[in-house]
Amino acid sequence: GQNIDQPTEMTATEGAIVQINCTYQTSGFNGLFWYQQHAGEAPTFLSYNVLDGLEEKGRFSSFLSRSKGYSYLLLKELQMKDSASYLCAAMDSNYQLIWGAGTKLIIKP
Amino acid sequence: DTAVSQTPKYLVTQMGNDKSIKCEQNLGHDTMYWYKQDSKKFLKIMFSYNNKELIINETVPNRFSPKSPDKAHLNLHINSLELGDSAVYFCASSPDVEPGLAGSTDTQYFGPGTRLTVL
Repeated sequence: GQNIDQPTEMTATEGAIVQINCTYQTSGFNGLFWYQQHAGEAPTFLSYNVLDGLEEKGRFSSFLSRSKGYSYLLLKELQMKDSASYLCAAMDSNYQLIWGAGTKLIIKP
Repeated sequence: DTAVSQTPKYLVTQMGNDKSIKCEQNLGHDTMYWYKQDSKKFLKIMFSYNNKELIINETVPNRFSPKSPDKAHLNLHINSLELGDSAVYFCASSPDVEPGLAGSTDTQYFGPGTRLTVL
């Protein structure tokens, strides 16, 4: 079956760095997405990886290893506004997104 | 200039009623989706339309019927509402159903969500 695993909750300190891991199993693979979702709001796109390696975009970076079925989202210089859920989603061979349940990130001062 | 809009944002209704949620996107995208996000925060795809044609129809009760009058609109009609239908329903759109040119991401853009509560 198709499956996405990510931690349920993580806590980090303002100004620090946090890495949110995601492992996936899908029928075929057409890319890995990370979305941010603040409580009560819609998910918003953060990153897309389809090739192995690290993609950097400001304070956020996303890494993909297709051979390991593994991705992570790296958040640097954490700010209080980064408190949110981070959703990992893999696109399968039918171009359908398979979603994880999200990782709730709590930032403490 | 909202990209993906949904109405209503909140919907409270009694069991057994019929209700509709509307979705519109002004991004010129070809593909639109309906998702259900339950209390456990899983996003579950319900339907996907590409240029007004149904392309994904997950195992969803036939009480749920999507309608796409044109490629900018995808409405969701729900008959005989049940308690288990209470959830947040998100509409989304993306440029195409398949990855296009190098660098394109087929990013899905989400509407603000409709919180449905069935009493």
